[in-house]
This record gives sequence, structure tokens and C-alpha cells, in this order.
Amino acid sequence: GNSVTQMEGPVTLSEEAFLTINCTYTATGYPSLFWYVQYPGEGLQLLLKATKADDKGSNKGFEATYRKETTSFHLEKGSVQVSDSAVYFCALMDSSYKLIFGSGTRLLVRP
Amino acid sequence: NAGVTQTPKFQVLKTGQSMTLQCAQDMNHEYMSWYRQDPGMGLRLIHYSVGAGITDQGEVPNGYNVSRSTTEDFPLRLLSAAPSQTSVYFCASNPNLSTYGYTFGSGTRLTVV
Repeated sequence: GNSVTQMEGPVTLSEEAFLTINCTYTATGYPSLFWYVQYPGEGLQLLLKATKADDKGSNKGFEATYRKETTSFHLEKGSVQVSDSAVYFCALMDSSYKLIFGSGTRLLVRP
Repeated sequence: NAGVTQTPKFQVLKTGQSMTLQCAQDMNHEYMSWYRQDPGMGLRLIHYSVGAGITDQGEVPNGYNVSRSTTEDFPLRLLSAAPSQTSVYFCASNPNLSTYGYTFGSGTRLTVV
């Protein structure tokens, strides 16, 4: 079946460090891929998306590229800020329009 | 434009009690879903609906009922609450577009004692 695997956290970085959060997926066909962010005490917000192979999604300095050959959608940011501290979820949308999530990765950014 | 509205935000139930978590969206989205979020397990799909009058089970449906009488509303009912249902519940909606993603509500934190 369809599934999403994320690197376990927490990921702890100093401000201005480079961020990578790994995400790989298993799916039939070519699902749309998403990154969601959850700030403390809040719901999930869509961060970025990619809907076909080689697409690059980007938002607020975050980027992720849809890699069909490695079935990956890694999240990157060149210089993190304290305000980026949150939980990040990778997800795919299956052919029935259901979102399937990874387990989430907590990011802590220290000043 | 309120998006997806969930009520209540917090609830404490005793084992065996029943209750309904409310979810409403004002975006005319056809697809609506209920998820539960537990530590270390991400979000798991409970039930979903592809339109008024149509519902189906997700990954963890036991102990929950849903109905979809209107496009706007998608309530989640706990028939007889159990401590294992202590969780944060999220409602989400999608306009029947695989490229759009889902819009989430702010969640209901439920504790069953």
C-alpha cells in the first residue's frame, strides 16, 4: 500500500544552519506530494507541494523536489530561523484523494 | 472566509460517554476527512467523505461514526468513549483536486478519563 517515511527527530540546529528533512514514499502511480508544518498548539498548514516528477515546490525559503527515480521529496532550507521551530509532515495524496502522512519530524532551532 | 472550523477546542469525557465533534467548512469543498494525531504516529485517517451523503472508512474507524448531510458539515461521533481515543482530532477539506492539498481546522484536543 501507499506509505510515507520521514526521518525521525528531533532535529536540533543553530540559527542560520542548513536544514534537510528526508522523506521517501511508496505509492502506485505518481501521487501529488506535500509538506505541512504544525506550529505549537496549532493545526497543520500547507507549506509547499509538487504535483509531478521533477517539480520543485517552494515557500518561505523552504524547497522540495519531487524525485521519481528515488521516490523522495526531501525538505530543505538554506538558513533556518528560530521561528521555523515546528513539526514538519510529509504527505502524499493517493488516487482516492486521501492524504497519507509520515510520522512527522520535530525541528528545534536554537538562537 | 473562515475556512475549516472545529468545535470544541478542548473536551474531557468520562469513559463510556458519547459526544460529537463538529466540523464545518465554508469553501464549498466536496472532500472532507477526519484525522487523529497521536505522538510519534503522525496523522491517521478515521473517516472521509467525497460528497454529501457519501462516507467511507479510513485507517482507524472503530469507535467512530460520521455522516454528511450537507456539503458544509461533517460531524464525528464517539459512541462510547474509551481512554484509547484520547488524542487530537483534525478535520480537513479539499475541493476535489489532487493538486490542491487539504485545508485543516485548528483541532480538538480530547481527553477520555
